[in-house]
Amino acid sequence: EVQLVESGGGLVQPGGSLRLSCAASGFTFSSYSMNWVRQAPGKGLEWVSYISSTTNIIYHADSVKGRFAISRDNAKNSLYLQVNGLRAEDTAVYYCARENSDYGLDVWGQGTTVTVSS
Amino acid sequence: SYVLTQPPSVSVAPGYTARITCGGNNIGSKSVHWYQQKPGQAPLLVIYYDSVRPSGIPERFSGSNSGNTATLTISRVEAGDEADYYCQVWDSSSDSWVFGGGTKLTVL
Repeated sequence: EVQLVESGGGLVQPGGSLRLSCAASGFTFSSYSMNWVRQAPGKGLEWVSYISSTTNIIYHADSVKGRFAISRDNAKNSLYLQVNGLRAEDTAVYYCARENSDYGLDVWGQGTTVTVSS
Repeated sequence: SYVLTQPPSVSVAPGYTARITCGGNNIGSKSVHWYQQKPGQAPLLVIYYDSVRPSGIPERFSGSNSGNTATLTISRVEAGDEADYYCQVWDSSSDSWVFGGGTKLTVL
């Protein structure tokens, strides 16, 4: 079964840091680009970061540029998001999602919740 | 940056057809993807590349894209179709995925 499982979320104070993880299984992880997408409470979807299959291309949304860093370990079938300098507006459910060429984001995890509050 | 505009809500009676629009500047030149999200669940890809249904998505779901508007059409709407729907494109000018604001489909 193709599956993505996120972890690492939690309650953190403003200015704090977390490392989100996404464990992939059931497919050849190293063949796919991956993304992080977040959703603030009661709000819509917001794309956060993209990383190509071989890590040579990385993009971040302007709202997180300089604070968040996406990475992956193909040997461990894992995707990561290092989130630093957290702000209240970063409070959201963070989803990892597999990108299937031009076919959009075809596999999503169940999400991990990040809450930024003092 | 590129902006996608969706109506906040669409309502339809069971058995009728729902059309959810996604507006963007010359969106017809881009590939549009559509996602369904039910409360407490992760998004689900229901249409990719403007009009292609992934395996397992009912034929009642279809898509089109031309000019400045892409449309998700749900025929013979069922209660189980009630959800939020999002359109998405890749914006090559900013190297970013862009989502529409989402449309809440209510089945009356």
